[in-house]
Amino acid sequence: QSALTQPASVSGSPGQSITISCTGTSSDVGGYNYVSWYQQHPGKAPKLMIYEVSNRPSGVSNRFSGSKSGNTASLTISGLQAEDEADYYCSSYTSSSTHVVFGGGTKLTVL
Amino acid sequence: EVQLVQSGAEVKKPGESLKISCKGSGYSFTSYWIGWVRQMPGKGLEWMGIIYPGDSDTRYSPSFQGQVTISADKSISTAYLQWSSLKASDTAMYYCVRRFGSGWYFDYWGQGTLVTVSS
Repeated sequence: QSALTQPASVSGSPGQSITISCTGTSSDVGGYNYVSWYQQHPGKAPKLMIYEVSNRPSGVSNRFSGSKSGNTASLTISGLQAEDEADYYCSSYTSSSTHVVFGGGTKLTVL
Repeated sequence: EVQLVQSGAEVKKPGESLKISCKGSGYSFTSYWIGWVRQMPGKGLEWMGIIYPGDSDTRYSPSFQGQVTISADKSISTAYLQWSSLKASDTAMYYCVRRFGSGWYFDYWGQGTLVTVSS
């Protein structure tokens, strides 16, 4: 069982918006602004999409946005495109000796 | 350009040892932590541990403590992940990642090294 809980799958049609949730505890997501999100296409290495809850690295589309409320972080993708179809993982710093925890991943299907 | 280039795929037998590598370039290798992430076939990402090449300070996830060894050779800008006795359950893709500054996120990822352990 992953430390952070994500839905196994979400789907949306091109042009729509979707949101992926990532639920943790006050020891990780809720306690620190160190939530990040990664996109992974099949057979590829993950790619950083959002860091520190809501910041986008240079080169990442502004269609991707992040937020947090309490122990739950969210990734929103607006104007869904076929190329957004991928697995998405959240991650957070944790006060446990693990230091880092990942979510179980969410498969995004663009219908 | 920042790059993390990992060593190639490995096929090993149970009980054998293995050391895979991750060579950093395009930045000051000794100034950024390098971590390792496991992805078993068809599964999610798992945090293994991290090393600061500047002084070899190393932290392990409890799940991997004692199971692997993380090291680095700053003279050749390379981090390593090694096993002394592989198990079939070590079959996975392993990624090295660069931790950005003091933040807990990973801005660069290696291409991955596939380790297959089978008799």
